[in-house]
Amino acid sequence: GESVGLHLPTLSVQEGDNSIINCAYSNSASDYFIWYKQESGKGPQFIIDIRSNMDKRQGQRVTVLLNKTVKHLSLQIAATQPGDSAVYFCAENRDDKIIFGKGTRLHILP
Amino acid sequence: SQTIHQWPATLVQPVGSPLSLECTVEGTSNPNLYWYRQAAGRGLQLLFYSVGIGQISSEVPQNLSASRPQDRQFILSSKKLLLSDSGFYLCAWSRDRGSNSPLHFGNGTRLTVT
Repeated sequence: GESVGLHLPTLSVQEGDNSIINCAYSNSASDYFIWYKQESGKGPQFIIDIRSNMDKRQGQRVTVLLNKTVKHLSLQIAATQPGDSAVYFCAENRDDKIIFGKGTRLHILP
Repeated sequence: SQTIHQWPATLVQPVGSPLSLECTVEGTSNPNLYWYRQAAGRGLQLLFYSVGIGQISSEVPQNLSASRPQDRQFILSSKKLLLSDSGFYLCAWSRDRGSNSPLHFGNGTRLTVT
């Protein structure tokens, strides 16, 4: 079964606020994690990744945090915009395979 | 830069008919190639992956098969479609398998089996 899952299926955020999307994983041997954004009718788009020897990585308006102690991963989006509306997936590299969680839908409130 | 192409974008096929979905990658050589299926409102399930021409690994038993006739071409096939084969099929490539590189996806084929 899937070892990567999400706490909330839907997250509603006011435009301009920060968004935090969470993910839990169960395999302590996983060494690489990725966040993807999927818009309706399109394939998942790579956002940011992080290796297990790091606990934080920043990109443009996005930050990924990795807490290996509690096997928790989060994606923070700063100043959420309407274009951020999508389903977000976390994924892990386990046994040389990329395993995906079920996704969180991010809904932007005007 | 690398690009990945999938076609067709949508497909409606009757039960029992054959299937052929094609995926090509440009701008890289010897990519790792993958087929995923996504059910509505669900995550992505890995179906097949390939590390080289003619090398196919299957992740789940199913009614589908995959082939890699050329370095940057990956084909998903079925001899006889089932209703349960309906879904959103995504092709992806990565630079290295197992060395922590992300997958890059095409825009998918939405297959409806009627």
